[in-house]
Order: sequence, then structure tokens, then C-alpha cells
Amino acid sequence: GQQLNQSPQSMFIQEGEDVSMNCTSSSIFNTWLWYKQDPGEGPVLLIALYKAGELTSNGRLTAQFGITRKDSFLNISASIPSDVGIYFCAGQLTQSNYQLIWGAGTKLIIKP
Amino acid sequence: DGGITQSPKYLFRKEGQNVTLSCEQNLNHDAMYWYRQDPGQGLRLIYYSQIVNDFQKGDIAEGYSVSREKKESFPLTVTSAQKNPTAFYLCASTEGPGRAYQPQHFGDGTRLSIL
Repeated sequence: GQQLNQSPQSMFIQEGEDVSMNCTSSSIFNTWLWYKQDPGEGPVLLIALYKAGELTSNGRLTAQFGITRKDSFLNISASIPSDVGIYFCAGQLTQSNYQLIWGAGTKLIIKP
Repeated sequence: DGGITQSPKYLFRKEGQNVTLSCEQNLNHDAMYWYRQDPGQGLRLIYYSQIVNDFQKGDIAEGYSVSREKKESFPLTVTSAQKNPTAFYLCASTEGPGRAYQPQHFGDGTRLSIL
């Protein structure tokens, strides 16, 4: 089926560093969503993007809906230990019926 | 508090056995979804339901079955036909049709293992 290419697969960062991850596709998306998943729990919605070019912040998190509608990025500024987890992008295709296409996730690990 | 409740948290299946995973929501959401998550992979859609008494197959429906007799409940049965059932199963829901896409909200998952 359809796929989103999410990168990087994992990141080792120092506390206080900024983080950037992105998702790309060959398809045009109507909506982009960014979720975070902690071990043993369900994903939690971080940011939802509905318009091409839209830039939205949620605290230290900022996400953008690419102007071509084929990509999105998520930035985390000044990372802290509780940022550790897996971040997923998900997109709704323009013609879909509420199904989401998911990236494989970016695992964020803080170096001790 | 409104939310999505999945039970049990951990489940073990014997060979040839069917098991049922529970998903209940009190958010008054119309649409409900079941996903399977394997290590290092994204979520894959098993089944979804946009309204009571109706459901559709997702990308990996083989070996699974669902029912939607009540708005708040969407149980998933993992049948003996599913040869590799060990995974983390996630249930989600959304409000349903609207002018803007309604993001999916998730339960805390059920981890299924083979004995």
C-alpha cells in the first residue's frame, strides 16, 4: 500500500539539543499529523496540520505542512529527557475515507 | 474522563485458539479503528468502522474479524488463521465526518504473545 518515508529512523542526542525529523511521500496529502508514542502506550497526538504551508507550534514542538503537500517536518527545540520516545508522522490522502498512512517512526534517544 | 479503554493489557494465545481484544470508548465517536504494530514499524490498519453495524477491511485483515454492534465497542478477534499474531494491537477512534479531518485518538494497546 501507500507509504510515508520517515527519517531518520533513530536519533541519539544530547539534552538541550534541537531535533529535526521529516516525512516525505510521492503522494499528495490532505492532512498531516504528528504523534508521539511512549513504550507500552498508544500514540498521543502532538500536532495536526490541515493546510499546505501551515506552520504550527505546540510548546517546544514546531511542525510544518510542506508547500507541495508531499512532506512535513517536526522540530523539537532544547530537548529534555521526557522527549524520549518514538515519533510518528501520519497523513490522510486527499481522496481517502479517514484512513491514515503512517511513517515507520523516529526513535529519539537521549545520550546519558 | 473520556477516553478509549483497551483490555487486557497483555494476552497470551495458544496454538489454534481464537482470542478477542476489547476496545471501548466513551467519547461518542462514530469511527473506530484497529491497528497492528510490530517492532520498528509503523502502524498497519486491520479493520475500521465508520458507523454501527458496518466495518471495512484495512491493509492486513486476513486472520482477523471484528464486530460493531454498539457505537462504543469495537472488539477484535484474532483467529487461529492468523499465523503470526504476536504484536502490539492499538485501537483508535475519531468523531467521524466533518469539515476538517478529525485526528485519531488511541487506547493504550494490548500486547499479544504466543505461548
